[in-house]
Amino acid sequence: AQSVTQLGSHVSVSEGALVLLRCNYSSSVPPYLFWYVQYPNQGLQLLLKYTSAATLVKGINGFEAEFKKSETSFHLTKPSAHMSDAAEYFCAVRINTGTASKLTFGTGTRLQVTL
Amino acid sequence: DADVTQTPRNRITKTGKRIMLECSQTKGHDRMYWYRQDPGLGLRLIYYSFDVKDINKGEISDGYSVSRQAQAKFSLSLESAIPNQTALYFCATSDPTGATGQFFGPGTRLTVL
Repeated sequence: AQSVTQLGSHVSVSEGALVLLRCNYSSSVPPYLFWYVQYPNQGLQLLLKYTSAATLVKGINGFEAEFKKSETSFHLTKPSAHMSDAAEYFCAVRINTGTASKLTFGTGTRLQVTL
Repeated sequence: DADVTQTPRNRITKTGKRIMLECSQTKGHDRMYWYRQDPGLGLRLIYYSFDVKDINKGEISDGYSVSRQAQAKFSLSLESAIPNQTALYFCATSDPTGATGQFFGPGTRLTVL
């Protein structure tokens, strides 16, 4: 069965510092992987996705993620954090079940950005 | 206008009451999903629907039921609400492949007293 593990439920960085949010996946077949962001009192918004093309994926708001099969990882990074990046981030893997495609989500990482 | 809308956005109810949460979408997607979000647990799938005639249970369907009234509408019901159903509920849609990800509504915050 496919699953994702997000290491660290809370991450705190200073404004301007590197953001690194970790996600490891488990999948018996080539996965599709996604990062979502949730701002306070809002729904989830897609940041970026990996669908078996380029292993380095660029998303919105300056975020990117690299698919590393050997490490079963899909970590999210941003070179320089902004205060507006404070939110909760979810990694997800697509599960294929027959003709359906379901997502399994990690438990989330809350990013705090300090001055 | 939002592609995926949910009503109500907030609801407080009492134990034993019947509650319906509604979801509408304008994306033209066949697939729709209901999730609940609890702190520290991420999102868990309650029910999903391939199309109007196809409904499937997710990982936590006990205590919930759904109705797919049309391609664009997918409702979630709690027949007899209990306090541990207090959570944030999200509706989502996707295309058949799921390759573009899922599109989420703004959520419904439900409190069961």
